[in-house]
Amino acid sequence: DIQMSQSPSSLSASVGDRVTITCRASQSIGLYLNWYQQKPGKAPNLLIYAASILQSGVPSRFSGTGSGTDFTLTITSLQPEDFAVYYCQQSHSTLLTFGGGTKVEIK
Amino acid sequence: QVQLQESGPGLVKPSETLSLICTVSGGSISSYSWNWIRQPPGKGLEWIGYIYYSGNTNYNPSLKSRVTMSVDRSKNQFSLNLRSVTAADTAVYYCARGYDSSGFNWFDPWGQGTLVTVSS
Repeated sequence: DIQMSQSPSSLSASVGDRVTITCRASQSIGLYLNWYQQKPGKAPNLLIYAASILQSGVPSRFSGTGSGTDFTLTITSLQPEDFAVYYCQQSHSTLLTFGGGTKVEIK
Repeated sequence: QVQLQESGPGLVKPSETLSLICTVSGGSISSYSWNWIRQPPGKGLEWIGYIYYSGNTNYNPSLKSRVTMSVDRSKNQFSLNLRSVTAADTAVYYCARGYDSSGFNWFDPWGQGTLVTVSS
């Protein structure tokens, strides 16, 4: 199994802050990495696929970088609607796995 | 645009079978992979498995012995059966389309999710 770990597990930030979330794979997954945002009581929503490609309709303040085992999701200028839990997910192996999530809270 | 909607009992007794249906609207089920993903209360996401419109399946090995998925193209639906449930199977169950492009794949869109509680 490919294990996905995220850090931090939670963070507090203010509106306008730059936020960076890290996702690490237990083995190389190339660019097979997706990011999702989940708000309370809602289903996850795709933000980024193939490590860095922004899903249509997602604001450009979201960006993804990385390859191999280390990936980052960056939110420039955090907005009130961005407070949520963020998950990474690998699609390199036939067993699809998610990171444990990063909760972005209001400071 | 494509929308997914889960349906099924919200309460299942221990040792019985959890059965859910996902109805796809706004597009045909005759393409893509169709996935089930679950989330225990307050916890993270676990992929259960997928079924292609052709009927080919791929299940999470941790659940494989208890899972069966099927697809009904005439109704644009796919389903999940999870046998011999315990309290550990209590979760919000989501269905999601697996979109594939140039070898990359991701989950989009998702259904709204349905909470299934295992309790006597």
